Amino acid sequence: ETGVTQTPRHLVMGMTNKKSLKCEQHLGHNAMYWYKQSAKKPLELMFVYSLEERVENNSVPSRFSPECPNSSHLFLHLHTLQPEDSALYLCASSQDPPSSGRHYEQYFGPGTRLTVT
Amino acid sequence: GEDVEQSLFLSVREGDSSVINCTYTDSSSTYLYWYKQEPGAGLQLLTYIFSNMDMKQDQRLTVLLNKKDKHLSLRIADTQTGDSAIYFCAETPYNQGGKLIFGQGTELSVKP
Repeated sequence: ETGVTQTPRHLVMGMTNKKSLKCEQHLGHNAMYWYKQSAKKPLELMFVYSLEERVENNSVPSRFSPECPNSSHLFLHLHTLQPEDSALYLCASSQDPPSSGRHYEQYFGPGTRLTVT
Repeated sequence: GEDVEQSLFLSVREGDSSVINCTYTDSSSTYLYWYKQEPGAGLQLLTYIFSNMDMKQDQRLTVLLNKKDKHLSLRIADTQTGDSAIYFCAETPYNQGGKLIFGQGTELSVKP
């Protein structure tokens, strides 16, 4: 148990559906992240939030829309997804946002396994 | 650019040593990390090394860093079945603001 929870753990959705992934961290951290994990590929950083402000958007298609209403919660709103968006979506948090030359640890949730049909 | 490469699979027998290798491209990375992902779980930090070190030991884990070759390895001594997991190497390029750049992960299978 890392202190980062994600719901749902599994989600199957059609390409025309709208759904949301939820992440909550109980660690008092100031930064939160969304990653996409596809089989046999490196983790892809999607978004970074620091103190509820988006500080990173890694050329993610607009069909993925993040929301960070407070420092403990992070959402990923999904609409009109494609089958290639099927993956494990991981949320993470860290005490402080990334900073060059400084060590920090990210704490990951268990992920949401998303299947787009 | 940043690119972290790992072999995809490693299989060892229980009690043997495992060595998981990683190559990275960005020499500006100040910290390099090993994360472990057990089935059905997220990633968990296993250990890390500062770039001015060439070795770090932590119980059964030994991290070796060859900065000249941009090569990082993780050695697990006396590998147990509970060590079966996916191991991710990550670098933190200075010009990327310290973001973690992950490899694709090495799946370690430990056979009894």
